Amino acid sequence: NAGVTQTPKFQVLKTGQSMTLQCAQDMNHEYMSWYRQDPGMGLRLIHYSVGAGITDQGEVPNGYNVSRSTTEDFPLRLLSAAPSQTSVYFCASSLHSGPTGVNTEAFFGQGTRLTVV
Amino acid sequence: DAKTTQPNSMESNEEEPVHLPCNHSTISGTDYIHWYRQLPSQGPEYVIHGLTSNVNNRMASLAIAEDRKSSTLILHRATLRDAAVYYCILRDVLVSNFGNEKLTFGTGTRLTIIP
Repeated sequence: NAGVTQTPKFQVLKTGQSMTLQCAQDMNHEYMSWYRQDPGMGLRLIHYSVGAGITDQGEVPNGYNVSRSTTEDFPLRLLSAAPSQTSVYFCASSLHSGPTGVNTEAFFGQGTRLTVV
Repeated sequence: DAKTTQPNSMESNEEEPVHLPCNHSTISGTDYIHWYRQLPSQGPEYVIHGLTSNVNNRMASLAIAEDRKSSTLILHRATLRDAAVYYCILRDVLVSNFGNEKLTFGTGTRLTIIP
C-alpha cells in the first residue's frame, strides 16, 4: 500500500514553460486536493476534487488547472510557469465523509519542490 | 471559518511530556478539532482529532476544554522524532456538501526537542 505518491520530487522550470505534477493514491479515496506551501507559511489549498469528473477551486487557484478522470489520479497542471509559483506542492487524499459524516484523516504525499527561474 | 491561535514555537527536553496549546474561541458546535504535524521535508501527517471528549491514540492525547474554546495536544514522552511543526485545525462537519474535507492550515507551532 503506497498511499499518496507524488512525482517528480524536484523540478526546475523556466518562466513560461508548462508542466504537470502527478499525484496518485491507491486507497480508493474520493477526495483529493492540492496545496502549496511557501516559506514560513502554512499550506494553502489550490484545487480539490470530490470524485472522478468533479473538481473545484480552492484558495489560490490562479495559474493552475486540474482534472480528475479516475479515482486514483489527480494531476496539477501549470500552463505557463511564473516565478511566483516557486513553492513546495503537496497532494492529499481522504475518504469523503459526506455532509454530516464523521471527519476522516487526510493522507499527504511527500511533496514536489518546484523552482521557476 | 473559525480560526485557531497557536504559539509560533516551543522547546521541550527529550523524554519529557510536551503540551502544545491551541486557542479557538470562535469554535462552533459542529467544529471538530484536528491536529496534524509536519516533519522536516515531509508532507503533513494526521495526529489526532476530537469533538468534545478527551481523546487518546498511539501518537498523542488531545485534551479539550469544557467550553471547547481551547485544546491541548499532549505528547507523553517526546523524542527527537517528534520535532516538527504542529497544526491545530478546525473542521466543520456541517459545511455544505463536500467542503468539510478542506483543511485550513495556519502557521502552526514549531516544536524543538532538546537532547
